[in-house]
Amino acid sequence: NAGVMQNPRHLVRRRGQEARLRCSPMKGHSHVYWYRQLPEEGLKFMVYLQKENIIDESGMPKERFSAEFPKEGPSILRIQQVVRGDSAAYFCASSPPGGVTQYFGPGTRLLVL
Amino acid sequence: KNEVEQSPQNLTAQEGEFITINCSYSVGISALHWLQQHPGGGIVSLFMLSSGKKKHGRLIATINIQEKHSSLHITASHPRDSAVYICAVGGGGADGLTFGKGTHLIIQP
Repeated sequence: NAGVMQNPRHLVRRRGQEARLRCSPMKGHSHVYWYRQLPEEGLKFMVYLQKENIIDESGMPKERFSAEFPKEGPSILRIQQVVRGDSAAYFCASSPPGGVTQYFGPGTRLLVL
Repeated sequence: KNEVEQSPQNLTAQEGEFITINCSYSVGISALHWLQQHPGGGIVSLFMLSSGKKKHGRLIATINIQEKHSSLHITASHPRDSAVYICAVGGGGADGLTFGKGTHLIIQP
């Protein structure tokens, strides 16, 4: 059973471009979480999704950021018109239905030039 | 909103020493997680606790729900234990975690 997969592992974008980060949860996991780790800061919750539903997006910036978890395929975190302050490591985690333990992916390191 | 405090922020110790990292939180929870993050690397979940004590190899984690406090212990520490150790709490069900700032641990040979 493969673990949580994220791609790309590293992403470089110029200011104003779009960034798309993908997360494939572990097999059988229907809950996906996105977290952000800014340089020299701790991890912060962004959004919690189940298949086709956003359950809690209280940690998402109000503008430019969106997330989805379609019925088929990976979860996508999308950042439009990136700015330098978006440079961070973005981690995805997944858990099974009714589960509390979250399994983390390796992260995507986004660098905005 | 839960506040999660870890101590110490930084810890340097000699190989073989017994290590303790502490975590306190402000609001009652259903589960507490200890995570390990290596430099430039991903995050590994070490423990998920809701009560009592768990042991895995040289790692021991304890939690006191009444005092809202947890500790992570490393026995016979080794340089490969050098990493950032992060405490995270969840309110219940399958909601997002709230993280401490992490403890930077360096074990010198």
